[in-house]
Order: sequence, then structure tokens, then C-alpha cells
Amino acid sequence: DAGITQSPRYKITETGRQVTLMCHQTWSHSYMFWYRQDLGHGLRLIYYSAAADITDKGEVPDGYVVSRSKTENFPLTLESATRSQTSVYFCASSPTSGRTDTQYFGPGTRLTVL
Amino acid sequence: AQSVTQLDSQVPVFEEAPVELRCNYSSSVSVYLFWYVQYPNQGLQLLLKYLSGSTLVESINGFEAEFNKSQTSFHLRKPSVHISDTAEYFCAVSVSGSARQLTFGSGTQLTVLP
Repeated sequence: DAGITQSPRYKITETGRQVTLMCHQTWSHSYMFWYRQDLGHGLRLIYYSAAADITDKGEVPDGYVVSRSKTENFPLTLESATRSQTSVYFCASSPTSGRTDTQYFGPGTRLTVL
Repeated sequence: AQSVTQLDSQVPVFEEAPVELRCNYSSSVSVYLFWYVQYPNQGLQLLLKYLSGSTLVESINGFEAEFNKSQTSFHLRKPSVHISDTAEYFCAVSVSGSARQLTFGSGTQLTVLP
């Protein structure tokens, strides 16, 4: 039972470069989410997806792009990385059934932009 | 829009002492409430949740939280903490019909001292 995985776990890049963070889940959950975690801010929602080919902006979407061609994958792309995007990024998924609203989180990707 | 306030950023407590981590929320509509725990270098794990029914909810490892609608609070308590409870704790709120979006508080670092 692999659950939800993220890759890479650590990434160092330079300002202006494009970088893609991968997220993969094996549960066939309909909903997937991307958050960034910064000290003093908790987790803030970047983008979310209710199903394949359906995505929507969260609280802090600027500078990020997402796609979801398959239910199990939800990559996050920083088109031109900036230092302010240095953060820990978490992917999460949630099932459709019931009212549970529980989200299941991946282990995170620590991104450093120099 | 909803918001979550965690009043204490850090809570140090001695082993076997009781602890309370405070969480207040604001929302104009009905909410679902969650506590997540994050151990060092890991993703978030659901600790407990309130969806409806009994206002007192419990986790399997001895934590409990009580939903207080009049005070818009969802404080987390444990009567006797262990070293292994050292972690960061996040309170989160979801609004019915919000596509399962979670709004997180800024987190409380609980440190259990020997």
C-alpha cells in the first residue's frame, strides 16, 4: 500500500529555472491538493483538483501551474522559480465518498531556490 | 471566508502533565473541524475530526477535542503527555460544499520535556 508519494524529497534550484514537483497516489482519490508550508503561516493551499482535468486556484496560486491528466498524478510546476518560493510543499488527496473531508498527506518536498 | 487562529505558537510541558492546545475559528456557515499532527520531517497525519453529532471527539492515542459552537473553539487536550507527543499540531476547518478545501491555523509546537 504505497499511499501518496512525492518526488523529489529535496530540490535545490536557481532563480528563474523551471521545476516540477511530482505527486502520485494509489487510492484513486478524486480530490488532490497542493500546499506550501512556511514558518508562521501553517499550510496554505496553492491549487486543488476535484477530478482529472478539473483544477482550481487556492489561496496562493501565483507563480505555479498544475495539471491533472490522470487521476493518480498531480504535478506542480514553478515556471520561473523565485526565492520567495523556497518552502516545503505538501501534496494531499481526499476521497469522494461520504462527508469525511479527511485529507491524506504525502511526506513533502523541501525546495530551496537560490 | 473562514479562518483559524491557534493562539500559542509553542507549548512546552513536562512529561505526564496535562496540556491544552487552543484553536478558534471564524465562519459564517457550518464547519467541519480537524486536528492534524506533524512529526519532524514527515507529512501531516489526521489526529481527530468533528463532523457532526457528539461535540467531544477522541483519538486513539488519548487526545480529545471539544467543539464549542458558541465560543467558536475546538481546543485539543490530553490529560497526560508523553515524550512521543512532541510534534507540531495544526487545527483546520472545512466548510460544507467547499470541495474539501481545508484552511489551516499557523500551528502549535508541543514540546514534552523529561
